Amino acid sequence: DAGVIQSPRHEVTEMGQEVTLRCKPISGHNSLFWYRQTMMRGLELLIYFNNNVPIDDSGMPEDRFSAKMPNASFSTLKIQPSEPRDSAVYFCASSLFLGGYEQYFGPGTRLTVT
Amino acid sequence: KNEVEQSPQNLTAQEGEFITINCSYSVGISALHWLQQHPGGGIVSLFMLSSGKKKHGRLIATINIQEKHSSLHITASHPRDSAVYICAVYQGDYGGSQGNLIFGKGTKLSVKP
Repeated sequence: DAGVIQSPRHEVTEMGQEVTLRCKPISGHNSLFWYRQTMMRGLELLIYFNNNVPIDDSGMPEDRFSAKMPNASFSTLKIQPSEPRDSAVYFCASSLFLGGYEQYFGPGTRLTVT
Repeated sequence: KNEVEQSPQNLTAQEGEFITINCSYSVGISALHWLQQHPGGGIVSLFMLSSGKKKHGRLIATINIQEKHSSLHITASHPRDSAVYICAVYQGDYGGSQGNLIFGKGTKLSVKP
């Protein structure tokens, strides 16, 4: 299996623009997670899905952030409008199930908002 | 106070040394994960523990549930072990319906040749 796939790997955009990050989980995995990593705050869970349904989005920082999982093989994280403080590395991870199972991380998307 | 504390924050070792990284947590958990993040940024899961000890190659992870403490040991360290090691805990019932992991801030390890 190719592992968790994320695109783009790098994104540079101007403040106010819409940003869409994409993730393809490992085939057969039922759970998908979106994380943000910054130097100051470390890894933070933004939202997670189980069987394509959002379970907990309490980590999403603001209404500017939204995430969808239209099918088992694709998820998006959208920021609209983007702000410089959104600059971070965004990771997608998948696992077989919820409940503490091992998570497999994608390579991350480094987002820079100028 | 963070729910998951790691020590040390930074660690420099000479090649061949035995290394220990510690993780203490203040909440009840059913599982603890050790992750490795290389300078390139990728994150890899090393271990998932709920009790006792696990070994994989030169890496050994232990957990003491009563003392709320876990250690990651690296024997015969090598420069390629240089990375950030992250501890994460899971509070829900293992195999249950929650997904939140609580992460430590990480320990940055540098192994010099």
